[in-house]
Amino acid sequence: GAVVSQHPSWVICKSGTSVKIECRSLDFQATTMFWYRQFPKQSLMLMATSNEGSKATYEQGVEKDKFLINHASLTLSTLTVTSAHPEDSSFYICSATGSGTDTQYFGPGTRLTVL
Amino acid sequence: AQSVTQLDSHVSVSEGTPVLLRCNYSSSYSPSLFWYVQHPNKGLQLLLKYTSAATLVKGINGFEAEFKKSETSFHLTKPSAHMSDAAEYFCVVSDWRDDKIIFGKGTRLHILP
Repeated sequence: GAVVSQHPSWVICKSGTSVKIECRSLDFQATTMFWYRQFPKQSLMLMATSNEGSKATYEQGVEKDKFLINHASLTLSTLTVTSAHPEDSSFYICSATGSGTDTQYFGPGTRLTVL
Repeated sequence: AQSVTQLDSHVSVSEGTPVLLRCNYSSSYSPSLFWYVQHPNKGLQLLLKYTSAATLVKGINGFEAEFKKSETSFHLTKPSAHMSDAAEYFCVVSDWRDDKIIFGKGTRLHILP
């Protein structure tokens, strides 16, 4: 149980385009979803926390207009990187928690490369 | 405020020998503590979790961790390393009241043949 999927697993795009990454909880209702960014050989950096039906809470230094997060249902959250630039290239990982628990279950990650 | 410190950025052990990955934490409240493993270009997999029940927590793949409040530690151990254990390991602290989750910087485990 507690499986989280991400789509796509990798994406290459041109500078200036927007990219949408989906995060789904497959077998549980995710009351809270988290988006992380991970640079090579570094730990995860929390970008934002989103609760279903609410606006996401962004961490300090994360541009909310750049990284649009939507958590429209209890099983789906999306991260849209708007007007992507090469410095946005990274590994983006989502996680989800269900009601009454603080255990996060992680998706497999999405490798974004901006040319 | 919470924090977590993984004392070693790299650990190398020979296959078949014990593994020890160290983690110290600080928390104002009674935290939940986790160990996750990440294989290259993969997401994170939960190894085990401590939530104020038994202080010795057994996880998957033969790993276990002991919560020691007096030492504010939550070290991860395995009696006998396997080549497939080579990965990055993250110690994580979480608290309901802060609604925050804090990751350690990670420890890269290398297994020598």
